[in-house]
Amino acid sequence: NAGVTQTPKFRVLKTGQSMTLLCAQDMNHEYMYWYRQDPGMGLRLIHYSVGEGTTAKGEVPDGYNVSRLKKQNFLLGLESAAPSQTSVYFCASSFRDSEKLFFGSGTQLSVL
Amino acid sequence: AQKITQTQPGMFVQEKEAVTLDCTYDTSDQSYGLFWYKQPSSGEMIFLIYQGSYDEQNATEGRYSLNFQKARKSANLVISASQLGDSAMYFCAMREVNTNAGKSTFGDGTTLTVKP
Repeated sequence: NAGVTQTPKFRVLKTGQSMTLLCAQDMNHEYMYWYRQDPGMGLRLIHYSVGEGTTAKGEVPDGYNVSRLKKQNFLLGLESAAPSQTSVYFCASSFRDSEKLFFGSGTQLSVL
Repeated sequence: AQKITQTQPGMFVQEKEAVTLDCTYDTSDQSYGLFWYKQPSSGEMIFLIYQGSYDEQNATEGRYSLNFQKARKSANLVISASQLGDSAMYFCAMREVNTNAGKSTFGDGTTLTVKP
């Protein structure tokens, strides 16, 4: 029972490079979220999706794009990475909007 | 305005003692859920306990209980009989069901250190 799987776990980018983070869940969840966590802080919502084919902006969406072409996958893209995007990224999902979140193990991203 | 406030950046507790981690929240939604998550040094996020806004009884899960005071908008986590493995960062979070598509808002966390 995999739950929520994030790939990659670690990544180092140079300023201006692009990359995509993949989140996959096998629990048939409708809701999926991307958060970032900066040192010593809580999680801040980047983008989220309430179902296949839908996405919406969260609290800190600038510099990121997302897509949810399949219900089980939620992709987070950085088109032109900046040092301010150095952070730990968490994907999360839930079946209903009132239930607990299931988290992936996180991706440590460093932008030099 | 911050929707989740955790006023204790760091807390210390002696092993086997109880500890309370504070959380206050702000919402105009009538239907919401309050959650506590634990983040050990390994980095994963672990769900601990949930309280619904319409639940009349305080939630309990083993050694964890949630002291829910709706009028005061507080949702404090109580850990009884602390263990060394409880040393971690703890986050309070809220999901507003009707107005925010279930988006979760997190506090900045409290780092708990359990002393032997």
